[in-house]
Amino acid sequence: AQSVAQPEDQVNVAEGNPLTVKCTYSVSGNPYLFWYVQYPNRGLQFLLKYITGDNLVKGSYGFEAEFNKSQTSFHLKKPSALVSDSALYFCAVRDMNNNAGNMLTFGGGTRLMVKP
Amino acid sequence: ETGVTQTPRHLVMGMTNKKSLKCEQHLGHNAMYWYKQSAKKPLELMFVYNFKEQTENNSVPSRFSPECPNSSHLFLHLHTLQPEDSALYLCATKNSDTDTQYFGPGTRLTVL
Repeated sequence: AQSVAQPEDQVNVAEGNPLTVKCTYSVSGNPYLFWYVQYPNRGLQFLLKYITGDNLVKGSYGFEAEFNKSQTSFHLKKPSALVSDSALYFCAVRDMNNNAGNMLTFGGGTRLMVKP
Repeated sequence: ETGVTQTPRHLVMGMTNKKSLKCEQHLGHNAMYWYKQSAKKPLELMFVYNFKEQTENNSVPSRFSPECPNSSHLFLHLHTLQPEDSALYLCATKNSDTDTQYFGPGTRLTVL
């Protein structure tokens, strides 16, 4: 079985400060990991993914995430937050060894609030 | 724009109505998904189609009926829904080469 947890319902950060949105996962094999962002009244937009290779993944809008196998984490980070980054962020995982194949499991989402 | 469109964007229906949600993709992807997004709940996978064949039905009630007539279109037919079915219904597509899902903007459904 595959699962993902986002322990924070909401993260508050001041504009210009670094931000971190946490994600931990559980899979029986090796993970594919994803971050998506959802703005109000919109669908989810792909930010970045880890499949294999370098543990630090860079994505859209200056976001990056670090895959940590020992801690089973894939936290989303940005060095300097913008007010326009305020949105709902979802972490997702797929087990590479899972023959159910096409299914992603999403976390419950973390609302990021960036204040001026 | 992700290349995935959904219509209508908003829908209000009574419990005895029949309506359909439509999803259209222009990405040439071979997998299509329906998700339900309710307030305070994780995103729920409902159905998966791969090459127009349904490969997953995630214990969804029969009042939701999917249809995938071709690789570009996916429908969700709705009948005798309940107020708790009110939610944002999201369509997504995926190309097996990249393993990344691309989402439409969703249909906001309200059942009265």
